[in-house]
Amino acid sequence: DIQMTQSPSTLSASVGDRVTITCRASQSISSWLAWYQQKPGKAPKVLIYQASRLESGVPSRFSGSGSGTEFTLTINSLQPDDFATYYCQQYNTYGTFGQGTKVEIK
Amino acid sequence: EVQLVQSGAEVKKPGESLKIFCEGSGYTFPNYWIGWVRQRPGKGLEWMGIIYPGDSDARYSLSFQGQVTISADTSIRTAYLQWNSLKASDTAIYYCARTGVRMGYFDLWGRGTLVTVSS
Repeated sequence: DIQMTQSPSTLSASVGDRVTITCRASQSISSWLAWYQQKPGKAPKVLIYQASRLESGVPSRFSGSGSGTEFTLTINSLQPDDFATYYCQQYNTYGTFGQGTKVEIK
Repeated sequence: EVQLVQSGAEVKKPGESLKIFCEGSGYTFPNYWIGWVRQRPGKGLEWMGIIYPGDSDARYSLSFQGQVTISADTSIRTAYLQWNSLKASDTAIYYCARTGVRMGYFDLWGRGTLVTVSS
């Protein structure tokens, strides 16, 4: 299985901050990477797919970049609704999730 | 409405068998892969396996191969996740989720089924 490593595990930020989360793959996955947001007690929701494509209905303050083995999720101007846990997922070969990044209030 | 509806919470004893389900509606069920994702209490998401209902082609993560069985019945638009002998470590929320025509990212999720295994 392809391994996905996210960093950091926890991130403390304030409303209005720009936040960046990194995801590294153990081998090249081209651009076959998605980002999800999960809030407590809820199912995950896709934000970004194919590394940089914004899912319909997702605010434009979310953006993704990268290819090969290194990827980033950026949230510009963090909003109160954005405090949640974020996961990357490779889908180049079956699927693997990163271990998650919790974005908490500073 | 396009949705995935999952079966209700289960409480089982170690060694018991279990089959939970995920019913799709509002889209062409046979044409989209359905995957299963585990989330243990307070932990992250784990990709378990996936099935293409149209031909029942099922694939598994190495971690779950031989531990669970994924199946589907297109006549009732339902996918299943099955255990023959549960362990306490199987206690988790299990989500089903849909990908596109190509096996890929999950664009539609069920609400999850909580499975508790305890003696």
